[in-house]
Parts: sequence; structure tokens; C-alpha cells
Amino acid sequence: ETGVTQTPRHLVMGMTNKKSLKCEQHLGHNAMYWYKQSAKKPLELMFVYNFKEQTENNSVPSRFSPECPNSSHLFLHLHTLQPEDSALYLCASSRGVLSEKLFFGSGTQLSVL
Amino acid sequence: DQQVKQNSPSLSVQEGRISILNCDYTNSMFDYFLWYKKYPAEGPTFLISISSIKDKNEDGRFTVFLNKSAKHLSLHIVPSQPGDSAVYFCAASAQGGSEKLVFGKGTKLTVNP
Repeated sequence: ETGVTQTPRHLVMGMTNKKSLKCEQHLGHNAMYWYKQSAKKPLELMFVYNFKEQTENNSVPSRFSPECPNSSHLFLHLHTLQPEDSALYLCASSRGVLSEKLFFGSGTQLSVL
Repeated sequence: DQQVKQNSPSLSVQEGRISILNCDYTNSMFDYFLWYKKYPAEGPTFLISISSIKDKNEDGRFTVFLNKSAKHLSLHIVPSQPGDSAVYFCAASAQGGSEKLVFGKGTKLTVNP
């Protein structure tokens, strides 16, 4: 089993749909992250959770709603997205927020029609 | 404005030769630098890092050089192998922590047999 698992790998949704991305880490880490990677842009940090508590919300629109029920699981709930939200969404984990060494999942390629 | 810049979107080298990937940064407060490698359909994986108190760090075929006065770092891969073909991301942080990690756009390396 890989360290950080993301589902689904691909997602196509309409602007009125509600969907959720799931991430699970099997590394015993305490921090989890959501990143967005758009074409031709650097990785953008969206949310950070440390010991299940959100410590960072990088000015992300409210149509993205994270949930972290425990240190091993992270969700990103999506609703009323826009076509410009189409991107690769990457989940990552680390031992703690003081560690720059991140372990990434394979990502969810999201297309909003 | 981008704080971490990878000005070459792509690089092509011959197997067995040296690959040199470059990264420039603007924030003089950055004190820790990392390189991540990403294969298609996979998440980025940590490759090598360097603290600002050093100017060189080596791990097998991979060496990272840091020139603080020029705000420049480079990743050398010697000898290059076809399996090194991937996108390489430079990242930097100021005063520690993954919440402060800033990524470059990446350079796609192709190593030709």
C-alpha cells in the first residue's frame, strides 16, 4: 500500500454538482495538506491540517471545503465549482508542519464542465 | 510575483551525460531548499534538500549546489539515466515549516537513451 492514497484519480463534474475528494495516509504523520496544481503554474497550497486542526487556509474560495476527521484522513468537498477550478489536486502529509519533507499522493485530475 | 523561479520549462540530455537543473529565488529569508521529482500520473516525491548553512549536498548521483549571493541553486544529475526523465520542482521555505513552502513551476527533464 502506498504511503498517501487519493481517490478518485479522475473526476469530471458539472458546475452544479457536489463531489468529494478523499485522501488517506498510512505513514503515521500528523500534518496533511491540499495542494492545487494548474497548468503552467506552481503548486499552490490550499489547506493545512496539523493534528486534525486547520492551521492554514490560503485564501481559498468557500466552494472548496476541507474536512479532517482524524490525522490519517483528509477530504476536500467541492460544490458549485467553476471551469477555472479544473486542475490536479494533490494531497500530502508530513511528520509535522515543521517538516518541509512532504509525501504526496498521486492526485485527482479534476475537470469542471 | 514568483519567489521561486525555474526559467527552463524543459531540458533534454543524452544518457550518461550531466543534467543541470536551475532554480532562482528572490526572497533572501529562504533558508531551506528542496527538490522534488514527479513522474506522470504520480505525485511529487522528495529528492534532495539543502540548508542555507551549506553550499553543497550530495546523495548518490544527485548533488544540489546553493549560491546564496546569487540566490541560485542547481541540481546536478550525473550520470543521467532514462529513468530520471520527470518533472523536477524546486521548493524553498523561510524559517522552517511546510506551511511556508514555495514551489517553482517545474522543469521537465528528458534523458534520451
